[in-house]
Amino acid sequence: EEQLVESGGGLVKPGGSLRLSCSASGFTFSSYSMNWVRQAPGKGLEWVSAIRDDTNYIYYADSVKGRFTISRDNSKNLLYLQMNSLRLEDTAVYYCARDWGGTGMDVWGQGTTVIVS
Amino acid sequence: DVQMTQSPSSLSASLGDTVTITCRASQIIRSHLNWYQQKPGKAPKLLIFAASTLHNGVPSRFSGSGSGTDFTLTINSLHLEDFATYYCHQSDSSPDTFGQGTKLEIK
Repeated sequence: EEQLVESGGGLVKPGGSLRLSCSASGFTFSSYSMNWVRQAPGKGLEWVSAIRDDTNYIYYADSVKGRFTISRDNSKNLLYLQMNSLRLEDTAVYYCARDWGGTGMDVWGQGTTVIVS
Repeated sequence: DVQMTQSPSSLSASLGDTVTITCRASQIIRSHLNWYQQKPGKAPKLLIFAASTLHNGVPSRFSGSGSGTDFTLTINSLHLEDFATYYCHQSDSSPDTFGQGTKLEIK
């Protein structure tokens, strides 16, 4: 079964840092681009960042550019999101999601909650 | 950035009804439009990709259409499990952007 499992969320003070992880299984992780998408409480979905399968291309939303860093370890089937200088408005459930060749995100994790307070 | 405008933001319907949700892009995105269903406390699920292609396992009562800037999601003969929030998503140009969502509620 193709699966993504996020971890690393928690409660952090403004200005603090967190590192989220996403563990992939059941598919060839190194063949897919990956995304982080977040959802603030009671709000819609916001794309945060993406990284191509070979890490040659990385993209960020303007709201996190310069503060968040996406990375991956294809040897360990792991995706990361390093979040620095956290703000109150970064409070959200963070999902990792597999990019299906630019035609949507077809596998999602269960999400990990980040609370900045 | 491409702005995605969904309408309506909420919708009440009865079992067996047919509903349509629209999504408009602020610029041409060809057919790079995807639809997701999300239930409370759960991750989104991909329903339709490339504007009109059903993802694996999605019931045929769901359909999508459109290209360019205007897109629709239609759900025929609503089932109980269809009451959820629906999002459109453009994957034509970075940054990816989502519509604000449409909450489908039981009347």
